[in-house]
Amino acid sequence: DSGVTQTPKHLITATGQRVTLRCSPRSGDLSVYWYQQSLDQGLQFLIHYYNGEERAKGNILERFSAQQFPDLHSELNLSSLELGDSALYFCASSVTGTDGDTQYFGPGTRLTVL
Amino acid sequence: GQQLNQSPQSMFIQEGEDVSMNCTSSSIFNTWLWYKQEPGEGPVLLIALYKAGELTSNGRLTAQFGITRKDSFLNISASIPSDVGIYFCAGRAFGNEKLTFGTGTRLTIIP
Repeated sequence: DSGVTQTPKHLITATGQRVTLRCSPRSGDLSVYWYQQSLDQGLQFLIHYYNGEERAKGNILERFSAQQFPDLHSELNLSSLELGDSALYFCASSVTGTDGDTQYFGPGTRLTVL
Repeated sequence: GQQLNQSPQSMFIQEGEDVSMNCTSSSIFNTWLWYKQEPGEGPVLLIALYKAGELTSNGRLTAQFGITRKDSFLNISASIPSDVGIYFCAGRAFGNEKLTFGTGTRLTIIP
């Protein structure tokens, strides 16, 4: 158990819908990262938040957005869903998010868009 | 998106055999990490490397940070059934908080 929690574990929805994925980092970690993993693919970095502020953006679509709240939990919002958005979405957390800082991953949310 | 070249893509070995896999990058990294992912789970950190030439062990696992800073290797000795999974390398360039992941090596152990 990494100490990072994600909810829900599974999500099935239809095209065009909007969903919210939630992540709670390890106690004491200030950084939260979101990744997308499509079938048999590596992890694609989406976005990084540190202490409530956006730090870095990866290959995140404009239909996707995220935020980190004062209690440090984070939410990833996916809208106008398409079939290709079906994937595993992972959240990771680290203490600071700087060089040498290890990221610990949550169990993921499996999103299926029908 | 940008990814590291990880090889082999998959391995089929017998229990007890040793395993080697590697990652190469066109960029210099100052951090290399090795993760293992089992079905339905998130990646779990196995080994972290922070210095060129560094060799670090975690039980039967040994990883090395290449001298060129553009590659890393993971070896598993005397494989056992619970070693099955997908192994990912990840690297971070100096001053960049973003981790770039390899494409993964899927390890299967033949009974």
